[in-house]
Amino acid sequence: AQKVTQAQTEISVVEKEDVTLDCVYETRDTTYYLFWYKQPPSGELVFLIRRNSFDEQNEISGRYSWNFQKSTSSFNFTITASQAVDSAVYFCALGTPYNQGGKLIFGQGTELSVKP
Amino acid sequence: KAGVTQTPRYLIKTRGQQVTLSCSPISGHRSVSWYQQTPGQGLQFLFEYFSETQRNKGNFPGRFSGRQFSNSRSEMNVSTLELGDSALYLCASSEPRGGSYEQYFGPGTRLTVT
Repeated sequence: AQKVTQAQTEISVVEKEDVTLDCVYETRDTTYYLFWYKQPPSGELVFLIRRNSFDEQNEISGRYSWNFQKSTSSFNFTITASQAVDSAVYFCALGTPYNQGGKLIFGQGTELSVKP
Repeated sequence: KAGVTQTPRYLIKTRGQQVTLSCSPISGHRSVSWYQQTPGQGLQFLFEYFSETQRNKGNFPGRFSGRQFSNSRSEMNVSTLELGDSALYLCASSEPRGGSYEQYFGPGTRLTVT
C-alpha cells in the first residue's frame, strides 16, 4: 500500500526559529516521486520541490532545505529562520510513475504557525 | 506562462443536482489531474487524464466523472450531489520531463452542497 504520514498536525514557532516538518512514506514502487506543497489560507497548493526516488541528493533553496533518506523512507523539510509568511499548511506527497497516470498521495498536512 | 485556471471559483448547489467544474491547464501540459480536499479526508485523488484518455482513477463512486478535450482542458462532473460532496476541488496540470513530472495546481473550486 502507498501511504504518506505527517505525524505533526500543528507546529507553532516564533519568528527566526528553525523548524523541521517530518514526512514518512510507504511504497513498493522502485520508481516514485516525492513532493512538498504549501497551502496558504487562500487555498491554492503551491509547488515547492520534487525529488525522484533515484536521487537522494539533499537540496537547499534559500531558507528551505530538504533531506531525503531512502533508508528510513523519509523526506523532511526544514525552514531556517522562519518568517510570518511561512505560516501555512504544508503537504508532503508521494507520486506514482507518470506512465501509470501520475497520481499524488498526500499526507494529512502540517499546519505551521509562525508568531512574531 | 499563465497558471492553471479553474471555473467557477465558488458554487452552491442543492442535494440531488449535478455540477460541472472546468479546468484549463498550463499551456503545453497534456496531463490534468483532479483532487478533492475535505477537512475529514484530506486531499484525495479523483482521476487523471492525458491526451483525452483517463489513465488513473481514485476510489470514488461513479457519480464522479470527467473528460478531457483535445486542447487539454478538462471538466469534471458530479451527479446526484450529496452533502458529503461539499469540498474544495483542485485541478493540477503536468507535462513529463525526462521521465519525471511536477503537478501545478489551480486555485480550486469550492463547492457547497445544501
